[in-house]
Amino acid sequence: DIVMTQTPLSLSVTPGQPASISCKSSQSLLHSDGKTYLYWYLQKPGQSPQLLIYEVSSRFSGVPDRFSGSGSGTDFTLKISRVEAEDVGVYYCMQGIHLPLTFGQGTKLEIK
Amino acid sequence: EVQLVESGGGLVKPGGSLRLSCAASGFTFSSYSMNWVRQAPGKGLEWVSSISSSSSYIYYADSVKGRFTISRDNAKNSLYLQMNSLRAEDTAVYYCAESPSGRYWGQGTLVTVSS
Repeated sequence: DIVMTQTPLSLSVTPGQPASISCKSSQSLLHSDGKTYLYWYLQKPGQSPQLLIYEVSSRFSGVPDRFSGSGSGTDFTLKISRVEAEDVGVYYCMQGIHLPLTFGQGTKLEIK
Repeated sequence: EVQLVESGGGLVKPGGSLRLSCAASGFTFSSYSMNWVRQAPGKGLEWVSSISSSSSYIYYADSVKGRFTISRDNAKNSLYLQMNSLRAEDTAVYYCAESPSGRYWGQGTLVTVSS
């Protein structure tokens, strides 16, 4: 199974400041079709997960442009350029290249 | 508006069975593979099972293989998870979600396995 490792596991950020979450996979997520199947989700308190970023760096419909994804191979990053109060929750990365699909442990973002 | 609505959760004794349903609307359900993903209380997300759009391909996590059965009825825009031989460690909120990107998720249904 592919192991997804997120760091940090928690983050406390002042509104307006940037935030960054790292996600490392134990195997390359680059498929032979040229796509890299790495996704980012945010689970707000009491809600279901919601897709933020797909295939490393593509923002899902309606996701603010302060969210960006980058990386390649086994090393990925989610960045929030200016954190807002509504960004609180737990962020998960997920690999979609091999079954079983596997998630990172989650990174809890709180506002200072 | 896209909606995925799970139902069928509840309290069940160890060894018991439950059937979860997920009703889809607002998108072409029959064109998408679907996943079941669960979340134990206070824990992270765990993939449970996947089914392709035409039910040709079905996969399970090792932790549920032989006990859970995923199925779908495209005519009814519905996804199902039959859960047998339930264990305490199956206690979780169960979500249905579009595969592979997870662009759509339901609100989840809580399954509690306890005597």
